[in-house]
Amino acid sequence: GAVVSQHPSRVICKSGTSVKIECRSLDFQATTMFWYRQFPKKSLMLMATSNEGSKATYEQGVEKDKFLINHASLTLSTLTVTSAHPEDSSFYICSARDQREGLDTQYFGPGTRLTVL
Amino acid sequence: KNQVEQSPQSLIILEGKNCTLQCNYTVSPFSNLRWYKQDTGRGPVSLTIMTFSENTKSNGRYTATLDADTKQSSLHITASQLSDSASYICVVTRTGGFKTIFGAGTRLFVKA
Repeated sequence: GAVVSQHPSRVICKSGTSVKIECRSLDFQATTMFWYRQFPKKSLMLMATSNEGSKATYEQGVEKDKFLINHASLTLSTLTVTSAHPEDSSFYICSARDQREGLDTQYFGPGTRLTVL
Repeated sequence: KNQVEQSPQSLIILEGKNCTLQCNYTVSPFSNLRWYKQDTGRGPVSLTIMTFSENTKSNGRYTATLDADTKQSSLHITASQLSDSASYICVVTRTGGFKTIFGAGTRLFVKA
């Protein structure tokens, strides 16, 4: 397997502030990372695909100005929730695409619980 | 249409018992099928990954099977433990562009 970390694991912020979440692939390089959002007892919902060195690709209905994604290196992608509001409260999970050894799979981070007051 | 359907939606079993979770898919062209375990409040953890040519893969007490002809997969859990209580997600990847389709998951509850 492989290790993907996220930081912070939990964050509470006031409405109107911005929050940055980091996703790191610790033992492999990932040209592609993904950001998901998950509501209680629901499936993961893909928000955007983060490509190293280029702009992220957002899924339909996801505001790119609201959820800023930067993939500045092969091991780090960041998601910034700008001007957060209570409806942005959710569980955010990243994953990194692993294409080593002939496989094509993804490993997930542990998730970040965002609570906007 | 590319879909992944899992059954049952939820399952309750007694500790020590075995169980089997099902995953049927219509994804094409097929690249691989993966099973993940997701504990509440955590990210999914990879259990198995199978390509077209593989029909079984084990990871400890977890054994996944794949029938690429019928487009069915199963995850068998042997001698269940309380810590097996989680959601189990089947994910199928299409070839070209890493398009992944997630199943809705099966919520497993293991009771003492």
